[in-house]
Amino acid sequence: DAGITQSPRHKVTETGTPVTLRCHQTENHRYMYWYRQDPGHGLRLIHYSYGVKDTDKGEVSDGYSVSRSKTEDFLLTLESATSSQTSVYFCATGSNYGYTFGSGTRLTVV
Amino acid sequence: ELKVEQNPLFLSMQEGKNYTIYCNYSTTSDRLYWYRQDPGKSLESLFVLLSNGAVKQEGRLMASLDTKARLSTLHITAAVHDLSATYFCAVANPGGTSYGKLTFGQGTILTVHP
Repeated sequence: DAGITQSPRHKVTETGTPVTLRCHQTENHRYMYWYRQDPGHGLRLIHYSYGVKDTDKGEVSDGYSVSRSKTEDFLLTLESATSSQTSVYFCATGSNYGYTFGSGTRLTVV
Repeated sequence: ELKVEQNPLFLSMQEGKNYTIYCNYSTTSDRLYWYRQDPGKSLESLFVLLSNGAVKQEGRLMASLDTKARLSTLHITAAVHDLSATYFCAVANPGGTSYGKLTFGQGTILTVHP
């Protein structure tokens, strides 16, 4: 969707390395979310933000951290990537009108 | 903790047939969403259902919501190949501090064949 940009789109990294995924929005939405998608699990919430510098954990937050220093940017960091973090990561924004999802980042940890 | 379950998880349909995907959820909520996802793509919003008895239709897809039964259905009429995709339901977490969090079902992989 044109209002949300995720980068990178694809990444292969080695076990134990740090990785940062970026989500940039132009919608000025207050709420932002990071989900991971795995077969058989749907999308599961990793972390979310309800404002600048206001973030909290979702249901699968272990091994992940986030930061939001500006309304438009929400960063997801894997401090030390593990093979279990191989997944497709989606960023989303929320407003009273619904949700918009980014195009996703396919991360492979080898 | 809100749980959302879809069934079936896999659905193989013949063109022209009708079928229904079910979405059950465990806690009262005021919003339910249906999304479509094509392979390698993002999620496309299909419907948002806001109240008990809500029914929405778009083309061959019709979604309904029964908040008392905590059940939503996505009905497919006269399926065509273009409907092949993965379909997700998602429920908005209830409560004043939910910050709009969504809980997703596992997804239903729909394949329509001749």
